[in-house]
Amino acid sequence: QSALTQPASVSGSPGQSITISCTKTNSYVGNYNLVSWYQQHPGKAPRLIIYEVTKRPSGVSNRFSGSKSGNTASLTISGLQAEDEADYYCCSYASSSSCVFFGGGTRLTVL
Amino acid sequence: QVQLQESGPGLVEPSQTLSLTCTVSGGSISSSPYYWSWIRQPPGKGLEWIGYIYYTGSAYYNPSLGSRVTISVDTSRNQFSLKLKSVTAADTAFYSCARDNCGGGGCLDSWGQGTLVTVSS
Repeated sequence: QSALTQPASVSGSPGQSITISCTKTNSYVGNYNLVSWYQQHPGKAPRLIIYEVTKRPSGVSNRFSGSKSGNTASLTISGLQAEDEADYYCCSYASSSSCVFFGGGTRLTVL
Repeated sequence: QVQLQESGPGLVEPSQTLSLTCTVSGGSISSSPYYWSWIRQPPGKGLEWIGYIYYTGSAYYNPSLGSRVTISVDTSRNQFSLKLKSVTAADTAFYSCARDNCGGGGCLDSWGQGTLVTVSS
């Protein structure tokens, strides 16, 4: 079982907003202050879309935003577009062990 | 724009050692604050962080892989490598190298294309 729990799937219609949660289920993950999110289209390498909980790399649309409350980090995608259909992974750094953990992934379907 | 490229055998026999190399171009592997990472993904499944290394040689590994994994760096060749011992079919996966751009905090901003390694006799 992953130290980070994500829903297996979410869906939304074009133009809508969706939120994907990522809950820390293992104290091993530590203070959960370094959370990143990745988008992966089939057959492609993952792409970093959020880092350090809320920051967006250059070139990433501002329709993607990150937040955190307690033990749950969230990725929100607003104004859904067909191209957003992909797998999304959260990732966290565990300072106690200098290790990185991925969540199990969430498949986003744009209806 | 940094680029990463994995290389190594696509087929490894059970109980043998999986060995892969990642060649970094367009930037120096010795630059701070980058950590150089290995990640794998079994076909149809999720991502698993294997470990990373700093150019000084300090390496950190996923506890679930125990002592089977070793990551090393060759700054003269701008490469880093992965060795995974005693492989089984469960180690069959796409293996990717990536650059961690936040001092080892999990911000993997550049990735190789990945290479499929199959464990089979």
